[in-house]
Amino acid sequence: GAGVSQSPSNKVTEKGKDVELRCDPISGHTALYWYRQRLGQGLEFLIYFQGNSAPDKSGLPSDRFSAERTGESVSTLTIQRTQQEDSAVYLCASSLRQGLATSYNEQFFGPGTRLTVL
Amino acid sequence: GQSLEQPSEVTAVEGAIVQINCTYQTSGFYGLSWYQQHDGGAPTFLSYNALDGLEETGRFSSFLSRSDSYGYLLLQELQMKDSASYFCAVRDRNSNYQLIWGAGTKLIIKP
Repeated sequence: GAGVSQSPSNKVTEKGKDVELRCDPISGHTALYWYRQRLGQGLEFLIYFQGNSAPDKSGLPSDRFSAERTGESVSTLTIQRTQQEDSAVYLCASSLRQGLATSYNEQFFGPGTRLTVL
Repeated sequence: GQSLEQPSEVTAVEGAIVQINCTYQTSGFYGLSWYQQHDGGAPTFLSYNALDGLEETGRFSSFLSRSDSYGYLLLQELQMKDSASYFCAVRDRNSNYQLIWGAGTKLIIKP
């Protein structure tokens, strides 16, 4: 079946503009994550959705960042008034239900959106 | 707080064996995972250890020692296609069992 898809694959924007990034998770995956990866760095957790529960927004770096998810499907990450330090690859991942101590479900990643803020 | 340490870069020869270490500090440790990421690609899952010991999957093995807060990924019979970055990630009960990621180890394989 189809994997996780993200769009656009590349986005170049001017400082101060808003951008919206989209993620389509694997069908049936209730958990969805957004990460940021700067060049040569590890993954920085941004936000996590699990079904209809309140999202875990603890990783969002500022109030310019927000994300929504419609049910258990598409998610959008919005960055308002972009800054040059927002330049990075934004990765989305989905998995079967997380948050259970008794099981671990691997995360499946999309190809990412490379954001460049000029 | 939480922290993970892994070497930034490791070099090995094709056909050889290489070990990538990961040490962690967290009060809520619940498991250690490894992911592979090729340049320009997305991370892909390799292994998960919740209990002490060695887990083997083909040419790749992963080890965990909870008493030492330490784990490693062992790659055998290295192939050029194994050139990638390898990330360890700790599953943390204090973070709702989410993954806390290391900075990654870039594996360079020479012919």
